[in-house]
Amino acid sequence: GAVVSQHPSRVICKSGTSVKIECRSLDFQATTMFWYRQFPKQSLMLMATSNEGSKATYEQGVEKDKFLINHASLTLSTLTVTSAHPEDSSFYICSARGSDSSGNTIYFGEGSWLTVV
Amino acid sequence: QKEVEQNSGPLSVPEGAIASLNCTYSDRGSQSFFWYRQYSGKSPELIMFIYSNGDKEDGRFTAQLNKASQYVSLLIRDSQPSDSATYLCAVRMDSNYQLIWGAGTKLIIKP
Repeated sequence: GAVVSQHPSRVICKSGTSVKIECRSLDFQATTMFWYRQFPKQSLMLMATSNEGSKATYEQGVEKDKFLINHASLTLSTLTVTSAHPEDSSFYICSARGSDSSGNTIYFGEGSWLTVV
Repeated sequence: QKEVEQNSGPLSVPEGAIASLNCTYSDRGSQSFFWYRQYSGKSPELIMFIYSNGDKEDGRFTAQLNKASQYVSLLIRDSQPSDSATYLCAVRMDSNYQLIWGAGTKLIIKP
């Protein structure tokens, strides 16, 4: 099946710094990518939807200036957490939609654990 | 508010039995329905999707969809301890393929 690669899998950063998470579709072109955040024992929370070549659409309550999303190519989207704080510590997951007509090919990356100290 | 509801569990099932997971959704215009499995600390993985009323079988898994009653279920036959995970129901609402997620049901298969 299709593969979505997400890096880094784990990252620890100091409070106030920025950290970038990459999401790559390895064997298909991802026209749409979704970024989620999941706190322990809670469900996935959609943060934003990004379409290649256009600005991301953020969900209500998600600060677009804090969570910068770039989807510059059909195989790469990045999430940058700027000025990170301990409350940003979470599991961040991307998913990507392929470009076939069924629209049912949505695959997840492995996720990235962010710990802000 | 478009919602997807799942019983949080945990649902405890003896090994070898059938595990039945249920999900209800609020939007009658929903098009596609997905079941994902998520192990603790890992990313969700797609088990199967269904978009027509009735049953869809894939190995030990059967998805059942009833659009009139707005529910979708997942049956796991011959449950194994490795099936122990949180099962997430997701519903596709619009053409952008955004998924609306349930909170998940924690399934425990007891040896």
